[in-house]
Amino acid sequence: SQTIHQWPATLVQPVGSPLSLECTVEGTSNPNLYWYRQAAGRGLQLLFYSVGIGQISSEVPQNLSASRPQDRQFILSSKKLLLSDSGFYLCAYTAPPRQGNYGYTFGSGTRLTVV
Amino acid sequence: SQKIEQNSEALNIQEGKTATLTCNYTNYSPAYLQWYRQDPGRGPVFLLLIRENEKEKRKERLKVTFDTTLKQSLFHITASQPADSATYLCALDTGGFKTIFGAGTRLFVKA
Repeated sequence: SQTIHQWPATLVQPVGSPLSLECTVEGTSNPNLYWYRQAAGRGLQLLFYSVGIGQISSEVPQNLSASRPQDRQFILSSKKLLLSDSGFYLCAYTAPPRQGNYGYTFGSGTRLTVV
Repeated sequence: SQKIEQNSEALNIQEGKTATLTCNYTNYSPAYLQWYRQDPGRGPVFLLLIRENEKEKRKERLKVTFDTTLKQSLFHITASQPADSATYLCALDTGGFKTIFGAGTRLFVKA
């Protein structure tokens, strides 16, 4: 069966420290992968998406970056965190082609607090 | 600019009643509209998808309608239960990679 793993569940990091969040998918090949951020009371904001290894599209210019070193692995990184980077980060995937009666499958999320 | 709006006020209903949630959008022509359930501290869970050429879709106690003229979708939960209490998100999808998610409506079902 298809599953998605995201870790860590919670993270408290000081301002200026680096960040690495990891997401892996099982049970499907060549998934489309996504990183979203959710602020309290607001809709999900798409940060990055990837349609293949090494292919990253950035939606929001900021001090975050993403990488896809393997087909089913997606990493969100930052060299220096800002207070404004605090939020709930969600990894998601869709199985290609993006049609049919299914939507996104989300990970369980990472609550990041920058202090 | 493209906008998607869900009622930001929480919806409180009595167990057994039908809950109806609204999703309105502007300046957008979605190919699909999706509904998700999100519990506190968890990722959203996909519930239903309805295409632009479909008026209604059902799944067990859930029903979704899609009116492209009114630019509105309604999400119904019949015979609601306390376990249905959660935040429900709608999302507009052109079939590409940039799905727009609403902020969600919180539903409380009282026993």
